Parts: sequence; C-alpha cells; structure tokens
Amino acid sequence: RKEVEQDPGPFNVPEGATVAFNCTYSNSASQSFFWYRQDCRKEPKLLMSVYSSGNEDGRFTAQLNRASQYISLLIRDSKLSDSATYLCAEGKSGNTPLVFGKGTRLSVIA
Amino acid sequence: SQTIHQWPATLVQPVGSPLSLECTVEGTSNPNLYWYRQAAGRGLQLLFYSVGIGQISSEVPQNLSASRPQDRQFILSSKKLLLSDSGFYLCAWGQGPEAFFGQGTRLTVV
Repeated sequence: RKEVEQDPGPFNVPEGATVAFNCTYSNSASQSFFWYRQDCRKEPKLLMSVYSSGNEDGRFTAQLNRASQYISLLIRDSKLSDSATYLCAEGKSGNTPLVFGKGTRLSVIA
Repeated sequence: SQTIHQWPATLVQPVGSPLSLECTVEGTSNPNLYWYRQAAGRGLQLLFYSVGIGQISSEVPQNLSASRPQDRQFILSSKKLLLSDSGFYLCAWGQGPEAFFGQGTRLTVV
C-alpha cells in the first residue's frame, strides 16, 4: 500500500509558466505535510511546510485539502533554476519519521 | 545553527565487504535521527530511526544495522554488503515533524 503518491512527470514547462503538482496521501490522521526540493545527485532540502490551510512563500504556494487527502505545490513565473525533483512528505506526529513520495520531476525550459 | 555531517560522499565497495557510514549533528541536543536510502529511480525508503541514545527502530529487515553510540552520532553498518545495497544513503535529523538531510553517501557495491 503506497502511502504517498505523486505523478513522476517529467513536467516540461517554459520559463515564466505556472505549474502545479499534486500529492495524495492515504492516512487521514496525518498531521503535517512538507514539500522538499531535490537537485540531481544531491540531498533533499526542505522547501515548504504545509500546515492547516496552506502556505505561501514568494512564487511558491502550497495547499492542503484534507477532504480529498492531497496537497499541492504551485510555482508561478517558473525559473530555469526551479528545475529539480519535488518530493512531498507526510508526518503523523513529531517523533515519527516522514513518509516521502517518489517525487515529481520538473524541467523549466528557456 | 544546526549542521549535519555525513561521510564519505561516495563509496565503492566489493560484495561481501563491511560497511560503516557515520553521521553527526551539531548545534542541537537529543535530535531524532534517521537513515534513508534512495535507490536509482525509486523514492526515499526509511531504514532506521532513533529518538534517543541506544534506541533504534528498524523499518526494513535486511542486512543493515544502525547504532547511536552518542546523542548526536548515528552509524549505519553492514557486515557483508550485497549488490542490492547500492544506493544513495541519507542521514537526517529533526526535532519536530520535519527532517533535515545530510549531503548523502552514494554507495556502489561491485
């Protein structure tokens, strides 16, 4: 049973485009959600936390839909430097490890 | 500020050889510590986690083991490596639901 699912992509978008990824989770008791960014052959880095109704940070907006059990990441005005793999993660409580999706690959094209 | 150190960055080991990967965290005390593995084309798989010295939870039965001899030190070991142990090994720490990753060790078993 897969707990966190993501479309693997790749999403190929032109510079300046808006792109959105979804991530579904299966445990309705999950409390916290995150988006990580992973560059090729590097470690994942925390991009955004998603608590309650969502979060916005510059060009990035993360939303949580508890009724449908998914979170989303919206990137506006895409930059070449946004090209990476985006991983979503869910957590059940403070001391339990995060469960990660396999990631969605984004390529922003000039 | 907190930092996490993981070494070596890359490692090539023959089948049947032992393994020891070390991870240390600075700038915090009593962190939760995690070992994840990311195989080629696959997601992050949790291997072990620890909420305190000497306390290890194993998520996936296999020929790997982990130890936490000190508060901020987490070691991943194997007595005899298998070809299937190849992958990208990531140590992470956290004190809330989120996790922060070290640079990772890319292990190739030949």
